[in-house]
Amino acid sequence: AQKITQTQPGMFVQEKEAVTLDCTYDTSDQSYGLFWYKQPSSGEMIFLIYQGSYDEQNATEGRYSLNFQKARKSANLVISASQLGDSAMYFCAMRRPDSGGSNYKLTFGKGTLLTVNP
Amino acid sequence: KAGVTQTPRYLIKTRGQQVTLSCSPISGHRSVSWYQQTPGQGLQFLFEYFSETQRNKGNFPGRFSGRQFSNSRSEMNVSTLELGDSALYLCASSLGSGKRTEAFFGQGTRLTVV
Repeated sequence: AQKITQTQPGMFVQEKEAVTLDCTYDTSDQSYGLFWYKQPSSGEMIFLIYQGSYDEQNATEGRYSLNFQKARKSANLVISASQLGDSAMYFCAMRRPDSGGSNYKLTFGKGTLLTVNP
Repeated sequence: KAGVTQTPRYLIKTRGQQVTLSCSPISGHRSVSWYQQTPGQGLQFLFEYFSETQRNKGNFPGRFSGRQFSNSRSEMNVSTLELGDSALYLCASSLGSGKRTEAFFGQGTRLTVV
């Protein structure tokens, strides 16, 4: 069953504007971690930002911030002041305990292709 | 510090053949995970190795196998290749697999089966 849902296959934004990429997740675990990765056309996945399930404040990393709404099970990525180099695929991911409970397996959503227009 | 290295970067194989992909993790990282990425299915987890032991396995047929060596380098093997195995195969290394453990990815091996 799909645990991570990214409803926007593609998004467009003008350079210097802000954009929000949506992510909802499904888990009954209390302890889990949420990640966002960027994948440029070169293929390598680049870590952007992390949010823990018990973190009360939204995570921020430079121009990236994570809008974490635990009750809604959403973890949207906000990119401020978009740059042309932000054009890439963006993946939301979650680490949740495996069946043994001691390891946290990382699973991904299907991604959103962001295009930044000049 | 060197990143995750995957070899080869590109590969073309014929249906029915077998293939071995290699992944060298970041020095000190003992966990290596493999993912298959296709346009239709996205990123799908194949398996995870930690200290030479397979710790988790995704929902793939037995044609997909892997192993990890004592130096943490990992290989994955696909036997009897099918056209649907064409994909980008990504390797990720991490110190462990805790809740907030960041995974570092290689650039992937793009496999084309003809």
